[in-house]
Amino acid sequence: QQQVKQSPQSLIVQKGGISIINCAYENTAFDYFPWYQQFPGKGPALLIAIRPDVSEKKEGRFTISFNKSAKQFSLHIMDSQPGDSATYFCAASIKESGNQFYFGTGTSLTVIP
Amino acid sequence: NAGVTQTPKFQVLKTGQSMTLQCAQDMNHEYMSWYRQDPGMGLRLIHYSVGAGITDQGEVPNGYNVSRSTTEDFPLRLLSAAPSQTSVYFCASSYLGGAAFFGQGTRLTVV
Repeated sequence: QQQVKQSPQSLIVQKGGISIINCAYENTAFDYFPWYQQFPGKGPALLIAIRPDVSEKKEGRFTISFNKSAKQFSLHIMDSQPGDSATYFCAASIKESGNQFYFGTGTSLTVIP
Repeated sequence: NAGVTQTPKFQVLKTGQSMTLQCAQDMNHEYMSWYRQDPGMGLRLIHYSVGAGITDQGEVPNGYNVSRSTTEDFPLRLLSAAPSQTSVYFCASSYLGGAAFFGQGTRLTVV
């Protein structure tokens, strides 16, 4: 079964708008929550990550919001740009089980100029 | 610093052929893993390793073998290729509790 559920599958946003991608998980043993950005023909690249003892982390235009009680986390992209058009994956990992990563199914983001 | 290097980038196999996908990392990471990426399914774990000489199965291990004789290398072997193994394969490495770093991928087509 899908350990990390991601929505929406695709997202279209106007330039300058806010892009929001959501993820939910069930396993409370997860202890690390990264987001990856992937451009066509490339491997996923780490964008930003958070640990469950923090409710929010911001790096430039990218922010992760983390709700431990709801077992949800989300990526917010402020002032979205056409260069942000890519596929985004959320993930979760458990240090104690071989550092395995479980990925969401991905969100294809298109930012319209 | 090359990071994670995968070869080849593209490969076409006939059904029943075998091949090895190579993966090497130069970050001295203990943990390495192989994923396959299919449309709408995200990245699914095939096999992983927590150190040299130690490997284990992931979510979709059937039809694949791995070994880890050194910290740097983690090859993935397809024993008898099937059309269902047409996919993009990614190798990743990580340190304990940290992010996974990915290679550029191998696009495999089995005809």
